Amino acid sequence: ETGVTQSPTHLIKTRGQQVTLRCSSQSGHNTVSWYQQALGQGPQFIFQYYREEENGRGNFPPRFSGLQFPNYSSELNVNALELDDSALYLCASSPGTGNTGELFFGEGSRLTVL
Amino acid sequence: DQQVKQNSPSLSVQEGRISILNCDYTNSMFDYFLWYKKYPAEGPTFLISISSIKDKNEDGRFTVFLNKSAKHLSLHIVPSQPGDSAVYFCAARYGNRDDKIIFGKGTRLHILP
Repeated sequence: ETGVTQSPTHLIKTRGQQVTLRCSSQSGHNTVSWYQQALGQGPQFIFQYYREEENGRGNFPPRFSGLQFPNYSSELNVNALELDDSALYLCASSPGTGNTGELFFGEGSRLTVL
Repeated sequence: DQQVKQNSPSLSVQEGRISILNCDYTNSMFDYFLWYKKYPAEGPTFLISISSIKDKNEDGRFTVFLNKSAKHLSLHIVPSQPGDSAVYFCAARYGNRDDKIIFGKGTRLHILP
């Protein structure tokens, strides 16, 4: 069973640039959630995708957008990067509805914005 | 507005003793509470959960207690082992919607030899 994989693991961008982060869900999982973890904080929910549709969004501006593909992999796009976007971005997959909240996380993509 | 609060940023416990990690919440609509463990350079991993209709759930060395009237839960680890040194996140699911899991800020647990 393949776990959740994310790429890239580290990247550095400058303010105003755009970034795309990628995630492959665990096999058999059709739901992907993205979280932002700033230094010293817990993961904060950005949004979730279920069967290629957005299925809930946290308190993040529209410049945070995403996609889910037919194979359930997902992308997180952030436009017009700001310094405060520097964080660990975590992708988590789950088997879909009826789940009790257990998420399976990848190792994360650490984004630094200069 | 923090709906899930972990007020202790860190905790040190002697190996073999009991570790108790605490968590408070404000939203009575949460229906499941979960604990995740995170090692450096790894993603969080699920540890144990409890439904809001239960008051205790046990899995090996890990037990979670829920006090709904106090809106408080705790994770007990007995006995504590060196591999338990990690950051522990308390999390809650909002009312049967697996689209929104709210996490606390975490407590760093150090197990001392």
